[in-house]
Amino acid sequence: EAQVTQNPRYLITVTGKKLTVTCSQNMNHEYMSWYRQDPGLGLRQIYYSMNVEVTDKGDVPEGYKVSRKEKRNFPLILESPSPNQTSLYFCASSPTRGSLGNTEAFFGQGTRLTVV
Amino acid sequence: DAKTTQPNSMESNEEEPVHLPCNHSTISGTDYIHWYRQLPSQGPEYVIHGLTSNVNNRMASLAIAEDRKSSTLILHRATLRDAAVYYCILKGLGGATNKLIFGTGTLLAVQP
Repeated sequence: EAQVTQNPRYLITVTGKKLTVTCSQNMNHEYMSWYRQDPGLGLRQIYYSMNVEVTDKGDVPEGYKVSRKEKRNFPLILESPSPNQTSLYFCASSPTRGSLGNTEAFFGQGTRLTVV
Repeated sequence: DAKTTQPNSMESNEEEPVHLPCNHSTISGTDYIHWYRQLPSQGPEYVIHGLTSNVNNRMASLAIAEDRKSSTLILHRATLRDAAVYYCILKGLGGATNKLIFGTGTLLAVQP
């Protein structure tokens, strides 16, 4: 089954303790990205990757890092989490055939992160 | 990026058709019209997309106005499982970010 898998689904951590949220897709998609969803603010893009070893900042990258060493994986790293990073996080992947406007995105189930 | 306007909420009865409108008067000629939905406690799910012609798939139909300034997502027979927030999003050719800009969407309630 084609899917995007995030782990963990739920995480409670303390301020400053480094954490990684993993994301893996099995569709051989070139493009992957991370979003965070907050009440009243909708979904906002954090980082994206056009392909292996190619990553770039989205709209809200502060406090986050990513890496893309393999096509299928795109982990989100919080080196020193703070309470304002408490949010619902989604990973997404898309093929990049032809026009970017003409491709659909597949989202993971989400990771609910609480930083205390 | 061009903006879309959707009603905040709509209600439907189970097994009846639902027409979800979206206005996008500033759409450019190369913008695709995408629809996603988000069920409670789940990630966004792709529904359908189109450029100029009406589109059908197993989930829904997309009717695009001739001037492309509006579109309608049609669920032919609503089920309780269709209760979700529906997002209408414009996605252009350009922009390396390939990001989806989610607005507030339409919260669809389906009554049994």
